[in-house]
Amino acid sequence: EVQLVESGGGLVQPGGSLRLSCAASGFTFSSYWMSWVRQAPGKGLEWVANIKKDGGEKYYVDSVKGRFTISRDNAKSALYLHMNSLRAEDTAVYYCARDSADTSMSDWGQGTLVTVSS
Amino acid sequence: DIQMTQSPSSLSASVGDRVTITCRASQSISSYLNWYQQKSGKAPKLLIYGASSLQSGVPSRFSGSGSGTDFTLTISSLQPEDFATYYCQQSYSTPPTFGPGTKVDIK
Repeated sequence: EVQLVESGGGLVQPGGSLRLSCAASGFTFSSYWMSWVRQAPGKGLEWVANIKKDGGEKYYVDSVKGRFTISRDNAKSALYLHMNSLRAEDTAVYYCARDSADTSMSDWGQGTLVTVSS
Repeated sequence: DIQMTQSPSSLSASVGDRVTITCRASQSISSYLNWYQQKSGKAPKLLIYGASSLQSGVPSRFSGSGSGTDFTLTISSLQPEDFATYYCQQSYSTPPTFGPGTKVDIK
């Protein structure tokens, strides 16, 4: 069974930093692209970033470019999102998702809440 | 970026009703269209990929159709567990983008 478990969320002040983690199990992690998707309170879904199987390619939504960094450790089956210069508008539940070969996001974690507020 | 729209934004329906949700892309996305279901407080769940392929384990009352710019999700006979918000998402180009969602609630 595929499992994705996010951690690392919490309350942070504007301008602060946070690192989210996603622990993967139940599949060969190194064989899949992985994504982060967020959802602001009461709002819809927004894709944030994704990373190639070997970490060699990374893509970001414009609103986080230069502030967020996606990374992975295939030996640990772990996905990360390093978030710097956080803004109030980054407040959201952050989900990690497995990118399927058919280009959908086939499996999702339960999410971790990031709140940016003073 | 490709913009996705959905209609209606919400609908009220009864158990047993046939429900259709429409999704439109701002440019052609071939069949790179996925549908997700999200229940309150839960993570999204993939229902349909490639516009019309049913994800493993998803009941056959869910179906998808369309190509190019216009797509539909149909629930043939609404069940109590289907009351949720439904999102379409294009995977044709980066960044992948979602529609604003359609909330299906009880009439």
